[in-house]
Amino acid sequence: QSALTQPASVSGSPGQSITISCTGTSSDIGGFDHVSWYQQHLGRAPKFIIYDVTNRPAGVSNRFSGSKSGSTASLTISGLQTGDEAVYYCSSYSSTSALYVFGTGTQVTVL
Amino acid sequence: EVQLVESGGGLVQPGRSLRLSCVTSGFTFDDHGMHWVRQSPRKGLEWVSGINWNSESIAYADSVKGRFTISRDNAKNLLYLQMNSLRLEDTALYYCVKDKDAWLTGGFDYWGQGTLVSISS
Repeated sequence: QSALTQPASVSGSPGQSITISCTGTSSDIGGFDHVSWYQQHLGRAPKFIIYDVTNRPAGVSNRFSGSKSGSTASLTISGLQTGDEAVYYCSSYSSTSALYVFGTGTQVTVL
Repeated sequence: EVQLVESGGGLVQPGRSLRLSCVTSGFTFDDHGMHWVRQSPRKGLEWVSGINWNSESIAYADSVKGRFTISRDNAKNLLYLQMNSLRLEDTALYYCVKDKDAWLTGGFDYWGQGTLVSISS
């Protein structure tokens, strides 16, 4: 099962907005609305920040938002803060051999 | 507070076995599906296996099918992963992960801190 494709890195200045893309196929992102996003700080376990494409779990800042078009999902972080520096992963339910597939991960840097 | 605590990792030779355990607390265990997800520098995050709330629905990644077995004990709030015929490429940090829903479609809402599995001759 192939990983979902994400850019290796994205950067922005404090206060700006950035968008991370996550590209899959019709067997995963394009076929289901079970797309989720995770934030992982160095040395820590991933944290759940978006589920079912657009929904935020309780306690997650509304600066994080998700969307999907065809087989590409996107995560937007608005009002960028230094604490947002982390690696972000997308994940999608899949109809292939693996029930879930993860993205390759995107390092977000706040300049 | 939801807590997931893994144990059972270690350094073993190829072909040997390990059994991972995950002690859970802070939520109604039998209301949620559970997963094992692993992470390595070489392959990133990789979903390994999932089990729904009543063990009727179980799934494995192709890379571990036939070698790994997931199970759960709802009376003890425990999740397990029996890993047989271990390979070098199974080396990773293994996370116990809670599903947001009872079935396996909710997403991974809580993660343990992981237990390290190292396969080396």
